[in-house]
Amino acid sequence: ETGVTQTPRHLVMGMTNKKSLKCEQHLGHNAMYWYKQSAKKPLELMFVYSLEERVENNSVPSRFSPECPNSSHLFLHLHTLQPEDSALYLCASSQDRGGRNTEAFFGQGTRLTVV
Amino acid sequence: RKEVEQDPGPFNVPEGATVAFNCTYSNSASQSFFWYRQDCRKEPKLLMSVYSSGNEDGRFTAQLNRASQYISLLIRDSKLSDSATYLCVVLRGGSYIPTFGRGTSLIVHP
Repeated sequence: ETGVTQTPRHLVMGMTNKKSLKCEQHLGHNAMYWYKQSAKKPLELMFVYSLEERVENNSVPSRFSPECPNSSHLFLHLHTLQPEDSALYLCASSQDRGGRNTEAFFGQGTRLTVV
Repeated sequence: RKEVEQDPGPFNVPEGATVAFNCTYSNSASQSFFWYRQDCRKEPKLLMSVYSSGNEDGRFTAQLNRASQYISLLIRDSKLSDSATYLCVVLRGGSYIPTFGRGTSLIVHP
């Protein structure tokens, strides 16, 4: 059983569709993240959740809506996306305390194409 | 100044070479540092943590220089399979949130 699992792995959606990305972690972590990685660009932090509360939203458009029902699950709800939103969406988790054992672990990502 | 800066490369080296990457960070209160590896179209994976005293894992050596606010990664005896993008990661000072550099691309050729 992998530590962080994302579904679906690939998604093609039209600009009028609504879809959701799912992330599940089995590492006992209490912080979860959504990152976006566009082609040949660095990772962009989108949202941070700690103990199911959103603690950071990095000026992400409202067409992206996160949800964290518990510390093991994280969703990203998508609606009326634009073609420039096509990217690899990565979920990660970690422990929310400093010191050792705070490294983040990633899911395999969802490769999203908006047509 | 960006929080975490890396030379994007690419670094193009022959098999067996030694190569070093540096990464600078802007927040002097940062306490935790990591190197990740990302293969093409895959997720980043933890390569190693970086400890204050420096640490080694096989062919890989990581070092931290707090005074100059940089970390380094040294790869000895490069293999073809080392070709990837190496990401520098810093936890913001007093925080657990990882901040990623843009990555340094390494290409090892025969």
